[in-house]
Amino acid sequence: DIVMTQSSDSLAVSLGERATINCKSSQSVLYSSNNKNYLTWYQQKPGQPPKLLIYWASTRESGVPDRFSGSGSGTDFTLTISSLQAEDVAVYYCQQHYSTPYTFGQGTRLEIK
Amino acid sequence: EVQLVESGGGLVQPGGSLRLSCAASGFTFSDYWMHWVRQAPGKGLVWVSLIYSDGSSTSYADSVKGRFTISRDNAKNTMYLQMNSLRAEDTAVYYCARVVAQGGGWGYWGQGTLVTVSS
Repeated sequence: DIVMTQSSDSLAVSLGERATINCKSSQSVLYSSNNKNYLTWYQQKPGQPPKLLIYWASTRESGVPDRFSGSGSGTDFTLTISSLQAEDVAVYYCQQHYSTPYTFGQGTRLEIK
Repeated sequence: EVQLVESGGGLVQPGGSLRLSCAASGFTFSDYWMHWVRQAPGKGLVWVSLIYSDGSSTSYADSVKGRFTISRDNAKNTMYLQMNSLRAEDTAVYYCARVVAQGGGWGYWGQGTLVTVSS
C-alpha cells in the first residue's frame, strides 16, 4: 500500500499570510505513460463532505480560488494557500489514486493564528 | 446538476448487516467508476471500495474485504454497499464519490450516511 504522510497534523497561520501543507507518498504516484501525478488535495469543513481543490497535483478545480495552488511530483507534494482567508479554516487531505487501496494522508487542520 | 444521495445508514448491532445506497442523478451514471469512502467520528478519510462503470470489476480496502460487497444497477442509477459482519470499527459516515469529468479527482460527493455499530 502507498502510505501518504502529511508533514503536520495542525498548522496555525495569520490571516493574509501564506500557508503551506506538505504531503509525501511512500512511492511515486507519477504515471509514466501520461506523465500525470495521481495526487489530489481536498478541503473538508465540519459536517461537510470533502471538497476537491487540486487534482493531477497542480490542476485547480473549477471554481476554486486562485490563492490555492498545488505543486510537486513523484513522491513530494505541496498545497499552498497564498493569502489565508478566514473561510480557509478546515482540514486538508492529500490522496493518491495511483493504485488501490487509494490512500489519504492523515489530514492537516489549518487554523488562524 | 450532479447529485449523489446516500441512504441506508443507521444503528446496527455487531455482527449485523446493512445495505447502503447511493442514488445518482444529473449525469450518465453508467459512464463513471464510483467509490465509497468512510470517515469515523473525528477521524480522517478512508477509501473503502470502488466499482467500474459497467460493474465488471471491484476493489476493496483490506479492512472490509470479504465482509462488504459493492454493486451497482445502472438502470436505476444507483450504487450499493452491502455490509455484513459489522464491527464497532465500521462506525463511520459513509460517502459515495465520483471523479470529475477530467478524471483527476473526486469532485462529486454525497452528504454521507452514518452507520453506527453498537450493542
